Amino acid sequence: AQTVTQSQPEMSVQEAETVTLSCTYDTSESDYYLFWYKQPPSRQMILVIRQEAYKQQNATENRFSVNFQKAAKSFSLKISDSQLGDAAMYFCASRDGNQFYFGTGTSLTVIP
Amino acid sequence: EAQVTQNPRYLITVTGKKLTVTCSQNMNHEYMSWYRQDPGLGLRQIYYSMNVEVTDKGDVPEGYKVSRKEKRNFPLILESPSPNQTSLYFCASRGRDSELGTEAFFGQGTRLTVV
Repeated sequence: AQTVTQSQPEMSVQEAETVTLSCTYDTSESDYYLFWYKQPPSRQMILVIRQEAYKQQNATENRFSVNFQKAAKSFSLKISDSQLGDAAMYFCASRDGNQFYFGTGTSLTVIP
Repeated sequence: EAQVTQNPRYLITVTGKKLTVTCSQNMNHEYMSWYRQDPGLGLRQIYYSMNVEVTDKGDVPEGYKVSRKEKRNFPLILESPSPNQTSLYFCASRGRDSELGTEAFFGQGTRLTVV
């Protein structure tokens, strides 16, 4: 089984600033996928960004980008120009085969 | 609209009273799964299904049952709920691996309280 570690239970950022959320994972597989999900107070799980392990290029989605360091098994999420609507719990996840493995989450507060 | 639908959204029940949480998806996805979310533990997979009549245990299957008789439905059954099953439950589905099919799509969640 994989393990996914998010070492920052809580983070805060000023509106319009940049914040980076950390995630490390442990897998023996060569083929896997990595994800960041956002969970706002509504509880809905929303995909923010995904990365295929075989791709060397870091994924980007508008203000969201990742720093994927395969050798270090690190997958951090950078949020640029933070907005009030970015306030949520963020979960890092990995998938190999049929199973998903989630970290314990980072609660992000955006300060106006 | 493509979605995963869970019912009910909230449920309070008593210890030992059998209950079922329904899950349905309209995306023709092969894979479906159930998770529970607990504070400080993230989401943990309970069961998953690769297709009709094919299911397998996740990391925390004790006390739960599932069935996959139809491709679109994947109910979660608690035969004899206990207070330690009080949690937030999510159903999710995904299609076959492709450029667009690697991630899980989640339902709205079911808040279960067992007293």
